[in-house]
Amino acid sequence: GQQLNQSPQSMFIQEGEDVSMNCTSSSIFNTWLWYKQDPGEGPVLLIALYKAGELTSNGRLTAQFGITRKDSFLNISASIPSDVGIYFCASTTGNQFYFGTGTSLTVIP
Amino acid sequence: NAGVTQTPKFRILKIGQSMTLQCTQDMNHNYMYWYRQDPGMGLKLIYYSVGAGITDKGEVPNGYNVSRSTTEDFPLRLELAAPSQTSVYFCASSKSLARVDIQYFGAGTRLSVL
Repeated sequence: GQQLNQSPQSMFIQEGEDVSMNCTSSSIFNTWLWYKQDPGEGPVLLIALYKAGELTSNGRLTAQFGITRKDSFLNISASIPSDVGIYFCASTTGNQFYFGTGTSLTVIP
Repeated sequence: NAGVTQTPKFRILKIGQSMTLQCTQDMNHNYMYWYRQDPGMGLKLIYYSVGAGITDKGEVPNGYNVSRSTTEDFPLRLELAAPSQTSVYFCASSKSLARVDIQYFGAGTRLSVL
């Protein structure tokens, strides 16, 4: 199956700091998605990217679709305690969805 | 509006037992999906359905079966449970795949096979 490689695997940051995580693939994708999963819950879609080079923001979150179509990054500015969770990148080819292994974010007040 | 509802929330099975994980959505979505999430890993697609009566395999379908007799329901069946099927199972639905519509996820079913 397709492999989406996410880094870093985990992050521990102080409240107020900015965060950056990325996702890479050996395959070309037409869509990149970023999800957040809280403990004991299903993932929730944060940002969807549909075009190479696209830069999209959702509040303090900003994500970009890499121009090679093989990567994407997610930035979180001015982190707050409720940003804690696991962030997944995902992509799709046809009807198949593929998820990265996740970045676990801990925000220290 | 309940969204996507999964039952049960937790289940322990013995090797060789069978069970059905239930999933229902009240958003009139055409597309429904079943994923499994192993510890420290992302979600892997087991099966999906594009509408009532239509199902197709995802990335990891072996050991599972699905059916879609109505728009609302998409049950996942384990016929002969194996320890490798210990995982958290998530059901999701979306209106369409036209532009990768938002997927709404249930809260998950935690399954242990001992």
